[in-house]
Amino acid sequence: EAGVAQSPRYKIIEKRQSVAFWCNPISGHATLYWYQQILGQGPKLLIQFQNNGVVDDSQLPKDRFSAERLKGVDSTLKIQPAKLEDSAVYLCASSPYQDRSGYTFGSGTRLTVV
Amino acid sequence: GESVGLHLPTLSVQEGDNSIINCAYSNSASDYFIWYKQESGKGPQFIIDIRSNMDKRQGQRVTVLLNKTVKHLSLQIAATQPGDSAVYFCAENNGKLTFGTGTRLTIIP
Repeated sequence: EAGVAQSPRYKIIEKRQSVAFWCNPISGHATLYWYQQILGQGPKLLIQFQNNGVVDDSQLPKDRFSAERLKGVDSTLKIQPAKLEDSAVYLCASSPYQDRSGYTFGSGTRLTVV
Repeated sequence: GESVGLHLPTLSVQEGDNSIINCAYSNSASDYFIWYKQESGKGPQFIIDIRSNMDKRQGQRVTVLLNKTVKHLSLQIAATQPGDSAVYFCAENNGKLTFGTGTRLTIIP
């Protein structure tokens, strides 16, 4: 089966600019996650969707980050305005279950804010 | 602070030897753990998981040991190969994945 697709692979922007990342999960996977991975650290959950509804966004900096999953398939994560500390890899993962197994990660988008 | 941590940030192993990567967790209620491998430029890849009703689980060349008494788990990789070079994360899943910092495994030819 096809994996989790993410685009772009790389993005360089200046601080205070806006940026958007796109994720296409594995077909049929109801649960979708966005993670932020800062260099040298493990991934940190930003937001979890079940179909097109938000299950957990407690760690999403809502003053600048937003995410949506229209029609319960593709998802977009946006940052506006970006800060230097947002430089990281943004990983999307999907799972066929809501519980705790079956995560498949995409290759991520590497964001550099200068 | 993080609830899942790793003892060493880097580990170098001779090709063909066995590798052991350790992980400590703090939440005694945690009951499901997963080991991931992350190669450069890629997302984490599932290696093996273990639930708290088990002490040991084996896969192909990998074994995970769970010691609930001291809240410690380890990943053992047998006959380490160059393709095993990566960063390894343990993660606990209590409804959402919480990752540790990771251990970078380097294989010495």
